[in-house]
Amino acid sequence: NAGVTQTPKFQVLKTGQSMTLQCAQDMNHNSMYWYRQDPGMGLRLIYYSASEGTTDKGEVPNGYNVSRLNKREFSLRLESAAPSQTSVYFCASSEVLRTSGGPYNEQFFGPGTRLTVL
Amino acid sequence: AQSVTQPDIHITVSEGASLELRCNYSYGATPYLFWYVQSPGQGLQLLLKYFSGDTLVQGIKGFEAEFKRSQSSFNLRKPSVHWSDAAEYFCAVAPGGGYNKLIFGAGTRLAVHP
Repeated sequence: NAGVTQTPKFQVLKTGQSMTLQCAQDMNHNSMYWYRQDPGMGLRLIYYSASEGTTDKGEVPNGYNVSRLNKREFSLRLESAAPSQTSVYFCASSEVLRTSGGPYNEQFFGPGTRLTVL
Repeated sequence: AQSVTQPDIHITVSEGASLELRCNYSYGATPYLFWYVQSPGQGLQLLLKYFSGDTLVQGIKGFEAEFKRSQSSFNLRKPSVHWSDAAEYFCAVAPGGGYNKLIFGAGTRLAVHP
């Protein structure tokens, strides 16, 4: 199993350009996520998809759109890139764990995409 | 609001020394608690997790963490650090029953001197 894969690994954009970050998982997980990682701020959730056909906003959704193309793939689109979107983007997927405290989704992360917007 | 604090931005230890990375959370009830490690240029890997029960949790790579409810802490420990442990470590919490939300701390970068 490849786990969670992301493309591209690196990207440089000019302000105003658009692009789509791709994510795929081969673990048959229902839920998928997009995070951004900035120095000194940990990871922040942009959007997530609890199941195929649904998407929801996370903590920092402004300037982004997502598409859950099918169960395997979850893409993140920047319609008009801004320097503030310079970051490392991580995709994750999750499976449900049954615990004594209730169900929980354990998340597995991809290797990341490093995006620079000039 | 729920939050996670990792007070130490950078820590440097000598190889073979013991390690403790601090994590404090702010949440009304006991959340689910996690430690992730990120090696340079890599994604995040789960080291260990706490849901309930025994407050001392064993993880991979010789790491352990202890949940202390009275201190709202979940500190990560390792008795003897190896050079390959140099990485960034993130503490994360999810509200109990929090189905899809992880809240991450800002991370602690660990350097290991030979």
